[in-house]
Amino acid sequence: EVQLLESGGGLVQPGGSLRLSCAASGFTFRIYDMSWVRQAPGQGLEWVSSIRGGGPERFYADSVKGRFTISRDNSKNTLYLQMNSLRPEDTAVYYCAQGLRLIENWGQGTLVTVSS
Amino acid sequence: DVVMTQSPLSLPVTLGQPASISCRSTQSLVYSDGYTYLSWFLQRPGQSPRRLIYLVSRRDSGVPDRFSGSGSGTDFTLKISRVEAEDVGLYYCFQGAHWPLTFGGGTRVEIK
Repeated sequence: EVQLLESGGGLVQPGGSLRLSCAASGFTFRIYDMSWVRQAPGQGLEWVSSIRGGGPERFYADSVKGRFTISRDNSKNTLYLQMNSLRPEDTAVYYCAQGLRLIENWGQGTLVTVSS
Repeated sequence: DVVMTQSPLSLPVTLGQPASISCRSTQSLVYSDGYTYLSWFLQRPGQSPRRLIYLVSRRDSGVPDRFSGSGSGTDFTLKISRVEAEDVGLYYCFQGAHWPLTFGGGTRVEIK
């Protein structure tokens, strides 16, 4: 059974940083593309970033480009999202998701709140 | 960016009756490999999204056959043949053919 477990969310001041982690199990992590998707309170889904399974390619939404960095450690079956220069509009539940063009399984999400 | 427009925004349905959700994209979702990257997700209240349909019409494992997807190019439809109580929630279409990847705004299905 595929499991994706996010962690690292919390309350941070504007301009601050957070690092989200997603521990993956139940599938061969290293061969899968992975993504982050977020959902602001009461809003819809927004794709944030993706990373290829077998190569260095990374993709970002314009709203986070230059501030967020996606990475992975295939030896630890873990996906990361380093978030810098956080803004109030980044407040959302952040979901780790398996896949890229065909997003399939989702984690339970971790809440990031950017507020002073 | 490819804009995904869903309609209706809200869909009150009687139990046992059919329901239909439309999703239209501003560009064709046919990718260079010939596949059409259109998926449907259901987000039940308080839960993470769950994929129901991928590549327009392929149903995920464990998804009841009352759910079906159809369409081509820029015009897609999710149909529920007979709505059950567990079908309540937000439905999103999603395109994986173009950067940035984008979701529709969501359709809320509720029981009358």
